[in-house]
Amino acid sequence: DGGITQSPKYLFRKEGQNVTLSCEQNLNHDAMYWYRQDPGQGLRLIYYSQIVNDFQKGDIAEGYSVSREKKESFPLTVTSAQKNPTAFYLCASSPLTPRDEQYFGPGTRLTVT
Amino acid sequence: SQELEQSPQSLIVQEGKNLTINCTSSKTLYGLYWYKQKYGEGLIFLMMLQKGGEEKSHEKITAKLDEKKQQSSLHITASQPSHAGIYLCGADSHNTDKLIFGTGTRLQVFP
Repeated sequence: DGGITQSPKYLFRKEGQNVTLSCEQNLNHDAMYWYRQDPGQGLRLIYYSQIVNDFQKGDIAEGYSVSREKKESFPLTVTSAQKNPTAFYLCASSPLTPRDEQYFGPGTRLTVT
Repeated sequence: SQELEQSPQSLIVQEGKNLTINCTSSKTLYGLYWYKQKYGEGLIFLMMLQKGGEEKSHEKITAKLDEKKQQSSLHITASQPSHAGIYLCGADSHNTDKLIFGTGTRLQVFP
């Protein structure tokens, strides 16, 4: 089955620790995205990538880092510099041509205490 | 920058009732996407609209994009408990690959 997987579903970390969230897709999509969702708010774009070894900052990139070494993988690292890291993180992917909807993973809920 | 405003923020309806959710953009839309989300889960794609005046239906859900391409509505006919969740609209305003999202509408359907 084709799709996007995110792991783990729930993640707990102590303040001051970096943590990496996994996102893998087997849809052969060129573009991948990371969003953050907070209660009562819509999705906010953190980073996105349209091609391997290249990525761009979204609207709230501060305190986050990404890599795109393989087409199928787009891991997100939440660093200790992120002031409010506790949130629900969603990964998505889409083809670039033709224009199509973004496919979303099941999400990772990160709690930092 | 473009913003998407959804209304209402929350909706509670009795099973069998019809309902409408609106999504309004501050700028012309090149593409409008509707998604549904169960709490704590990923987004499920519902429909995409691109042309002014376009209307699409899937089962009991109909989405429309107005002629000016700045407002979209999502209409559910004869709502069921399975329709409960958060409905989000996403938009592409500059024909880019980035989407912006509305804040969502939380729908509850009671028997």
